[in-house]
Amino acid sequence: AQKVTQAQTEISVVEKEDVTLDCVYETRDTTYYLFWYKQPPSGELVFLIRRNSFDEQNEISGRYSWNFQKSTSSFNFTITASQVVDSAVYFCALSASRTNFGNEKLTFGTGTRLTIIP
Amino acid sequence: EAQVTQNPRYLITVTGKKLTVTCSQNMNHEYMSWYRQDPGLGLRQIYYSMNVEVTDKGDVPEGYKVSRKEKRNFPLILESPSPNQTSLYFCASSLSTPRETQYFGPGTRLLVL
Repeated sequence: AQKVTQAQTEISVVEKEDVTLDCVYETRDTTYYLFWYKQPPSGELVFLIRRNSFDEQNEISGRYSWNFQKSTSSFNFTITASQVVDSAVYFCALSASRTNFGNEKLTFGTGTRLTIIP
Repeated sequence: EAQVTQNPRYLITVTGKKLTVTCSQNMNHEYMSWYRQDPGLGLRQIYYSMNVEVTDKGDVPEGYKVSRKEKRNFPLILESPSPNQTSLYFCASSLSTPRETQYFGPGTRLLVL
């Protein structure tokens, strides 16, 4: 079984502050993939990043950065110098390697609603 | 333009009236899936399909059916909708597995009275 926990239901920060969204995952597989998706108020789901379990290197993309730590089963997402346009619901997701036939699922966390206050 | 389309985008229906939500992708993707999004529960996978005529249950399949007769289409069928199926539904596709980036449709908001 695989599970993703996003314990932060809602976060509000003032514009230009940094904010970190937490994601903790569970899987018994050694090969797996982690994702972050953004859902702005308009409702669509926007892909942000994909990371496989063998690549623990942190990634930075502009104001966004991701910290992957296998030791704590976490894949946290940090927004630096937040902007109002970052206001959205953010989902973390996990897909494990195919160890059993039929186990081709993608499991999402419950999401974190981020509000950036101008 | 590469995209996943869903129809209808909004639907109000009554309990027990069969309905179908269509999903189509133009990227020749093998993997397609359906999710429902509910407040506080995130996205939960309903059904997925690895290819034509290959489908399997996700985490919340009760009350839903799917079919995959053509690679590009993956309709979601509610044979007898109930109010607890009121939700926001997303279709998604990827090249061949859920371990690749998913391309999501715009969503279908369903209200069952």
